Amino acid sequence: EVQLVQSGAEVKKPGATVKISCTFSGSSFTDYYIHWVHQAPGKGLEWMGRVDPEDGETVFAENFQDRVSLTADASIDTAYMELSSLRSEDTATYYCATDFRYGDYGLDYWGQGTLVIVSS
Amino acid sequence: DIQMTQSPPSLSASVGDRVTITCRASQDISTFLAWYQQKPGKAPNLLIYAASTLQSGVPSRFSGSGSGTDFTLTISGLQPEDFATYYCHKYNRAPWAFGQGTKVEIK
Repeated sequence: EVQLVQSGAEVKKPGATVKISCTFSGSSFTDYYIHWVHQAPGKGLEWMGRVDPEDGETVFAENFQDRVSLTADASIDTAYMELSSLRSEDTATYYCATDFRYGDYGLDYWGQGTLVIVSS
Repeated sequence: DIQMTQSPPSLSASVGDRVTITCRASQDISTFLAWYQQKPGKAPNLLIYAASTLQSGVPSRFSGSGSGTDFTLTISGLQPEDFATYYCHKYNRAPWAFGQGTKVEIK
């Protein structure tokens, strides 16, 4: 079964950059797109964007396209989300999730989430 | 961009109740609609995809219906483990979007 394991919690100062990893196992990495989802404390889910591990193609939500970089390294089955120019409003849990390339199943597997705290 | 409007934002129900949550898309999304359950401190869990297909391992008391712009998640016979927040999610094309969530609480 597919498993996604994310890197640990981060504490960053305003203006800094954070990079979170999402390591995939249990199937073929390139059979899936990797999505990233933002959840502020006590708030709902917000889609950030998606990366295709096969060719690196990305699609972003408008709210995040200026400060987010999504990449994937198929040689080590790992996707990354980098968020720059951090501000207090970026304090949130960030999830990676898979979307099967050959079907329309929604987001079927999720990482455990990575908490990012932005504080001076 | 397509907006997803979920209602109600919260509801109180008792064990054994039938619960219905609705989700409306601002444009036709066919059946590219999923439902997720999220418990505090945990990642969301896929319940239903393609509007009405139950994900493997999900109890049959969960069901989904709808197409186009109007969708429904029904829990028939609420169980203690079902108290959680539920989200709809449209995935026909980018940008993907979630509803605001419905928190199901114990009455």
